[in-house]
Amino acid sequence: EVQLVESGGGLVQPGGSLRLSCSASGFTFSSNAMHWVRQAPGKGLEYVSGISTNGGTTYYADSVKGRFTISRDNSKNTLSLQMSSLRVEDTAVFYCVKGGSTPAASDGFDIWGQGTMVTVSS
Amino acid sequence: SYGLTQPPSVSVSPGQTASITCSGDKLGDKYARWYQQKPGQSPVVVIYQDSKRPSGIPERFSGSNSGNTATLTISGTQATDEADYYCQAWDSSSSWVFGGGTKLTVL
Repeated sequence: EVQLVESGGGLVQPGGSLRLSCSASGFTFSSNAMHWVRQAPGKGLEYVSGISTNGGTTYYADSVKGRFTISRDNSKNTLSLQMSSLRVEDTAVFYCVKGGSTPAASDGFDIWGQGTMVTVSS
Repeated sequence: SYGLTQPPSVSVSPGQTASITCSGDKLGDKYARWYQQKPGQSPVVVIYQDSKRPSGIPERFSGSNSGNTATLTISGTQATDEADYYCQAWDSSSSWVFGGGTKLTVL
C-alpha cells in the first residue's frame, strides 16, 4: 500500500523553528518528486514547496522562501521540511504529497498524507 | 504571480449536473487538475491532465480545459459528492498554484 506519514507538527512560538518529516512507503521514493502543501484552518490549499528526485531542484512559495528548506533522504525514504522564523500565519495542516517524475510533472499529487498540524502562537 | 479563480460556492440538486469553473490566464495551455476534499480528510484527485480520471473515480466526474477556463463537471450529482473542490495548475513562474476552492452543496 502506498503511504505517506507526516510527523513533527506541534505548537511553536512566533519566531521559532520546527522540522516536519514524511515517511514514504509502498512506492519507489527515489523515482518521485515530492511536495509539501498546507491548509490553514478553514482556508484553501496552498502550495509550499517541492523537490526533485535527487534533491537538486527545489521550489518554494514566495510566502515561505528564505524561511523554509525542503530536503529528502532517498536512503531512508524520508522527506523533510525545516521551518524557521515561523509566523502566526504559518499555522496550518501540512500535507506531504507524492509527485511525478519531476516537480512539474502533471501526473503527480496522486497520494497525500493525512497531514500534521503546525500551530504558531504565543 | 499566476492566479486561479473559482466561485466560492455552487449548489446543485441531487441527480442534476454540477459545473465548477476555474479561471486563469491562458489556463488552456496548461494541464488542470481537480481535487475533492471532504471535512477532516486529505484531498483526493478526481481529474488530472484536464480530463483524465484516476482509477476508482466515478465516471460522473469529467473535466475540460480551454481558453482561460477549466471546468469540472459532475453528472448525476449524489449527496456523497458534497465537498470542497480545488483546481490546480503548474505555471513556470509560480510553480504549482491552487484555486481558492469551491464548496459544492447538494440540496
